[in-house]
Amino acid sequence: AQSVAQPEDQVNVAEGNPLTVKCTYSVSGNPYLFWYVQYPNRGLQFLLKYITGDNLVKGSYGFEAEFNKSQTSFHLKKPSALVSDSALYFCAVRDPSSGTYKYIFGTGTRLKVLA
Amino acid sequence: GAGVSQTPSNKVTEKGKYVELRCDPISGHTALYWYRQSLGQGPEFLIYFQGTGAADDSGLPNDRFFAVRPEGSVSTLKIQRTERGDSAVYLCASSTGTGRAGELFFGEGSRLTVL
Repeated sequence: AQSVAQPEDQVNVAEGNPLTVKCTYSVSGNPYLFWYVQYPNRGLQFLLKYITGDNLVKGSYGFEAEFNKSQTSFHLKKPSALVSDSALYFCAVRDPSSGTYKYIFGTGTRLKVLA
Repeated sequence: GAGVSQTPSNKVTEKGKYVELRCDPISGHTALYWYRQSLGQGPEFLIYFQGTGAADDSGLPNDRFFAVRPEGSVSTLKIQRTERGDSAVYLCASSTGTGRAGELFFGEGSRLTVL
């Protein structure tokens, strides 16, 4: 069964510092991996995805993520955090070899960027 | 262009009542997903449609929950004999199609409160 874990409930970082939000996954095949952001009282917004190819993927708002197959991880990163990045971040996985097209989401990590 | 539209945005009902939640996906998106998000949790998969048919309904918690998409566009999630534990935000998402590794586009959700 496919699953995804976000080990940190909350990450605090000072504005201007680099940020990392962690995600690990478990699938039987090669994963499709996604990051979404959720602002208060809003739906989830897509940030970036890894399907195949280059392990470093770049997305919206200056975010990037690195796919690491040996560590089964897909951590979200940004070189310089902004206060406006404060939100709830979700990692999601889909296993294309599973026979289902459902996306499994993690429990979320609240990012707080301090001015 | 128009995004995914969900109505109502808020619904308060009494235990035992019947509820319908509507989702209008992005025009041309053939895949449609329903998720449930409880407070402090990640989105929990309920069901997805490819066209008019429910391709995977393995996430529906019990037979009180049912969803339809009769014309392959608008979908309705139906909950019978509501219970207090059904209180959550119900999220709808659409995608260009399950054959591709497409990201999900989410609506802002329908917040259901069962008293």
